[in-house]
Amino acid sequence: NAGVTQTPKFQVLKTGQSMTLQCAQDMNHNSMYWYRQDPGMGLRLIYYSASEGTTDKGEVPNGYNVSRLNKREFSLRLESAAPSQTSVYFCASRLYPDSNYGYTFGSGTRLTVV
Amino acid sequence: KNEVEQSPQNLTAQEGEFITINCSYSVGISALHWLQQHPGGGIVSLFMLSSGKKKHGRLIATINIQEKHSSLHITASHPRDSAVYICAVYHAGGTSYGKLTFGQGTILTVHP
Repeated sequence: NAGVTQTPKFQVLKTGQSMTLQCAQDMNHNSMYWYRQDPGMGLRLIYYSASEGTTDKGEVPNGYNVSRLNKREFSLRLESAAPSQTSVYFCASRLYPDSNYGYTFGSGTRLTVV
Repeated sequence: KNEVEQSPQNLTAQEGEFITINCSYSVGISALHWLQQHPGGGIVSLFMLSSGKKKHGRLIATINIQEKHSSLHITASHPRDSAVYICAVYHAGGTSYGKLTFGQGTILTVHP
């Protein structure tokens, strides 16, 4: 099925470990986004990529890095995980980065850092 | 005060009831999104609107730009409608990329 695929779905890390969350879309979308969702708070933007070859910080980028590997793939890396990064992470994409276009979200990655 | 406020935070209904979820925002926007999230599940985009009204099946979304208010209505509610409904507004936000600001969500439970 066409859409946004995130892997893994669940992950438990120890403090200080590193990992990469993978995101791929097959809709030929130009823009991709990483959000985190925490209880009692709305989703917050971590990083985004308006188009292939570009990445920019969102609201809460500290502790994360991203790579736009190609048009399809946008990965999120935690170099040294901290308990504060326990969250549900969502990748999203859309055709172009302006208000005329809706978002397609992945199914999420539930990350626990102990 | 949050830029996007949803009400109610929690809503319980009996199957068949008409449901309304409200969203108020305090910034100038170019689009408003309604999203649905099932427990433990991903996020699905229901509507994107910048004016007027949209309908899809039993779901209706309206927006009043002047009053900075949107509503999501569900007619003939069903237990499978139980989910978190999230309002998000797209605005410039003082950034170069535009910004999607999310409400905290409304938890809807529909009992058979």
